[in-house]
Amino acid sequence: EILLTQSPAIIAASPGEKVTITCSASSSVSYMNWYQQKPGSSPKIWIYGISNLASGVPARFSGSGSGTSFSFTINSMEAEDVATYYCQQRSSYPLTFGAGTKLELK
Amino acid sequence: EVKLLESGGGLVQPGGSLKLSCAASGFDFSRYWMSWVRQAPGKGLEWIGEINPDSSTINYTPSLKDKFIISRDNAKNTLYLQMSKVRSEDTALYYCAVYDGYVFAYWGQGTLVTVSA
Repeated sequence: EILLTQSPAIIAASPGEKVTITCSASSSVSYMNWYQQKPGSSPKIWIYGISNLASGVPARFSGSGSGTSFSFTINSMEAEDVATYYCQQRSSYPLTFGAGTKLELK
Repeated sequence: EVKLLESGGGLVQPGGSLKLSCAASGFDFSRYWMSWVRQAPGKGLEWIGEINPDSSTINYTPSLKDKFIISRDNAKNTLYLQMSKVRSEDTALYYCAVYDGYVFAYWGQGTLVTVSA
């Protein structure tokens, strides 16, 4: 089973600040997704295939990485970005998620 | 518009069984892989398993393989999760999701299962 370790677990950012979340995989993966989940809501696909933005996702979001190290970046934090973000791999079974990173507004 | 409506959750005693349903609409259900994902209160997401369009392939996360059974009825556009031998750690919000082979593209709102005596 591929374990995904996200860091930090919680991060607080001010409006306009750059935010970076990392996801480290225990084995190499070729396909990484990121989901956004707001309190009381279901997760939504946010970034797929490492760096592709899902439909409707603002351009301030980006994803990158390869092998065992991946990152999720918000160029300029906005209040609406407050949520928990999860990475997820589909390179091998069982499909696994990271533990999540809670993004708060400072 | 894709809609996924989970139902069947509730209070179940430890060791008991429960069957969840997910009614799908707004897309050709019979063509898509479907998954179950759960989320314990205040915790992260855990993939339970998936089923292919004709039910010939079903994959589970290893720790749940002997407890949960995923099935579907394409004529009814419905996905199922049969839960058995439940324990307190199975208390969670259970989501069904459309899995297109790459991402969990659409999610339902979830149905809450509480395991307690």
